[in-house]
Amino acid sequence: ETGVTQTPRHLVMGMTNKKSLKCEQHLGHNAMYWYKQSAKKPLELMFVYNFKEQTENNSVPSRFSPECPNSSHLFLHLHTLQPEDSALYLCASSQTRDRGNQPQHFGDGTRLSIL
Amino acid sequence: GQQVMQIPQYQHVQEGEDFTTYCNSSTTLSNIQWYKQRPGGHPVFLIQLVKSGEVKKQKRLTFQFGEAKKNSSLHITATQTTDVGTYFCAGRNDYKLSFGAGTTVTVRA
Repeated sequence: ETGVTQTPRHLVMGMTNKKSLKCEQHLGHNAMYWYKQSAKKPLELMFVYNFKEQTENNSVPSRFSPECPNSSHLFLHLHTLQPEDSALYLCASSQTRDRGNQPQHFGDGTRLSIL
Repeated sequence: GQQVMQIPQYQHVQEGEDFTTYCNSSTTLSNIQWYKQRPGGHPVFLIQLVKSGEVKKQKRLTFQFGEAKKNSSLHITATQTTDVGTYFCAGRNDYKLSFGAGTTVTVRA
């Protein structure tokens, strides 16, 4: 039990589908993150939210749309994805946005496959 | 931009042997964190180093931060099968945390 729960664990979708990834943290943290993990590559930070406000978008294509309704929930809405978007999508949380000084707690991830 | 490089990418170790994985940054870091990801799992925070030359130990794991705060190492003694996984370093600079690509460790029994 990590305190960060991601659903679904696995997702297969076509390029024209619309789906959403969900992340929920039970740690009382105020910052949440989306990462993309591809084989043999470093973790790629996608978005950062601090107290529900987006504070960082690392040039992520608009086919990925994040939503943070409150400090405990984070969504990643997916639309018209490409095959190269197939990866493990990890959600993480930390006490605040100053993430360098605090450990990040990761969820188990959603394994996404684009057909 | 800041880059964090890890070597080696893969480490195959005989059970009982020692090994070291290295993390190098192109810029001076404020601090560095280490994470471990078991196969099929998610990254789990291990430790954070902040001071120049800092050394911290967790049982058989020894973490070191370089004097110039641009590199770090993780040394594991008497490797066990439970040490299998990918070890990531993450360096902080200018409020940005950059992860290395990781060292994937396999153990021969």
